[in-house]
Amino acid sequence: EVQLLESGGGLVQPGGSLRLSCAASGFTFSNYAMSWVRQAPGKGLEWVSAISGSGGNTHYADSVKGRFTISRENFKNMLYLQMNSLRAEDTAVFYCAKWPLADYWGQGTLVTVSS
Amino acid sequence: SVLTQSPGTLSLSPGERATLSCRASQSVSSSYLAWYQQKPGQAPRLLIYGASSRATGIPDRFSGSGSGTDFTLTISRLEPEDFAVYYCQQYGSSPPFGQGTRLEIK
Repeated sequence: EVQLLESGGGLVQPGGSLRLSCAASGFTFSNYAMSWVRQAPGKGLEWVSAISGSGGNTHYADSVKGRFTISRENFKNMLYLQMNSLRAEDTAVFYCAKWPLADYWGQGTLVTVSS
Repeated sequence: SVLTQSPGTLSLSPGERATLSCRASQSVSSSYLAWYQQKPGQAPRLLIYGASSRATGIPDRFSGSGSGTDFTLTISRLEPEDFAVYYCQQYGSSPPFGQGTRLEIK
């Protein structure tokens, strides 16, 4: 059974940093690109970042470019999102998902940026 | 290519037919158009991929169609559990998601 389990969310002050993790199981992790998708309260889905199966190619939404870094450790079946210079508008539930066809999603982890 | 979904909100009764639209600003390969359902407090769930193929476990009352710039998700007879928000996605392009259609009980 495929499982994606995010962790690392929480309350952080504006300008602060947070690192999200996503533990994957039930599939050959290194064979698939992965992505982070977020959803602000009451809003729609916003793609944030994607990484190739090998980790050699990464892509970012303009809204997070230069502030967020996606990475993965295939030997651990782990996906990460390092988030720096956080802003109030980054407040959202962050999902990890297989990519680009998101047939599996995690349950999400809430990031709240507030003073 | 930007995806625009309509209507923003659709109010229907159980048993009725729902037709949701997803229009792309540039032509999208049918192979790369998907639909997702999201219920409150839950992660999105894949319904349709390749514009018309149902994902595993999706009831056959859900169907997808379309090509080029116009795609449609049809729910033939609404069940109470179908009332949710629906998103289309072009996978392999950015931004990938439409803004969503809320399907609410009339």
